Amino acid sequence: DVKVTQSSRYLVKRTGEKVFLECVQDMDHENMFWYRQDPGLGLRLIYFSYDVKMKEKGDIPEGYSVSREKKERFSLILESASTNQTSMYLCASSSAGTGALDIQYFGAGTRLSVL
Amino acid sequence: AQSVTQLGSHVSVSEGALVLLRCNYSSSVPPYLFWYVQYPNQGLQLLLKYTTGATLVKGINGFEAEFKKSETSFHLTKPSAHMSDAAEYFCAVSESNTGKLIFGQGTTLQVKP
Repeated sequence: DVKVTQSSRYLVKRTGEKVFLECVQDMDHENMFWYRQDPGLGLRLIYFSYDVKMKEKGDIPEGYSVSREKKERFSLILESASTNQTSMYLCASSSAGTGALDIQYFGAGTRLSVL
Repeated sequence: AQSVTQLGSHVSVSEGALVLLRCNYSSSVPPYLFWYVQYPNQGLQLLLKYTTGATLVKGINGFEAEFKKSETSFHLTKPSAHMSDAAEYFCAVSESNTGKLIFGQGTTLQVKP
């Protein structure tokens, strides 16, 4: 089974702190994604990566950055956390192969509260 | 550009009743379509997918969906709801050639005893 692991289920941080959310996948997937999930808004794409050291902005990248130094790991960074970044963060991965059909596999999520 | 609309943010059914969750999409190319389910405090799990071929797609836990090109719809159904089906359901369309998914806003399914 594909496993996508997010390092924390719950995080509480202070306004202005630098926050790291870590995601690791064990299926050698090329693609990795970070979403935030808010009630009534569904999933919104923050950043994604097609390969090591590559990153692309999604729909809501402001206030976030990412790092992908190894294929299996994709980190989301909040440079200076703000209260409006309180949300559920979901990481996903997918294969770039032609038979992969764009199926994404998700981690359990990190619920971040910024006080 | 692709988009997805889920009609109804909350759906409530009685146990044993038909479940119908609606999804309409917009796509300029033949789409890949997905339904994902999210149980409380968990990530998203793939329920079923449509790529090509048969338009009636069967998924896990007794769910199925029918791709109707003329109606640009991909509604999710289950003949008889179980309490364990209570969850949030997301419809998604694949953005062609990018690997990205475009998600709808989600529908919360409540199952009453």
